[in-house]
Amino acid sequence: GEDVEQSLFLSVREGDSSVINCTYTDSSSTYLYWYKQEPGAGLQLLTYIFSNMDMKQDQRLTVLLNKKDKHLSLRIADTQTGDSAIYFCAESLTGGGNKLTFGTGTQLKVEL
Amino acid sequence: EAQVTQNPRYLITVTGKKLTVTCSQNMNHEYMSWYRQDPGLGLRQIYYSMNVEVTDKGDVPEGYKVSRKEKRNFPLILESPSPNQTSLYFCASARTGGNGELFFGEGSRLTVL
Repeated sequence: GEDVEQSLFLSVREGDSSVINCTYTDSSSTYLYWYKQEPGAGLQLLTYIFSNMDMKQDQRLTVLLNKKDKHLSLRIADTQTGDSAIYFCAESLTGGGNKLTFGTGTQLKVEL
Repeated sequence: EAQVTQNPRYLITVTGKKLTVTCSQNMNHEYMSWYRQDPGLGLRQIYYSMNVEVTDKGDVPEGYKVSRKEKRNFPLILESPSPNQTSLYFCASARTGGNGELFFGEGSRLTVL
């Protein structure tokens, strides 16, 4: 099956930038997503990028897509304690409709 | 309020005792899916449904059943639960097409003793 890989943990200081990385497998993915899971809650869509884009910026969030290397990253500027959560990368599979493959998730811890 | 509702949120049961986790969405979404979340493994898809009366296996369907008799409901059935099904379960729904955004329930934590 397909694997979407992420590092498991990231720790940053409040006010610094966080960069969460992901490698995916399906070079034909239509969309790539970042979901956020806060403690005790379900996942919520944070942002997504269409596969023909290289970059997408949304306030403090910047998504970079390198299709050649199948690498996706999420940068959070001015990281706050409220950003502490698990972040999941996901890809939509070719011809899979709404079927998404999720990564293992990166636990972001923001320290004061 | 648009939402996906799962019940129960927490359940402790014993091996072999049949149980059902219900899932209901009020967004008229065609697509619904069940995932399980385990440490270090991320989310893995159990079953999904593209529409009423249409269900398909995901990546880890063994030991589970689903049904989609109505558009809004997608229950997950464990006929004979085993300890390896101890996990955190999420139901999700989506509109067909668009950007593929999945809307998730709050999760059901199941422990099988």
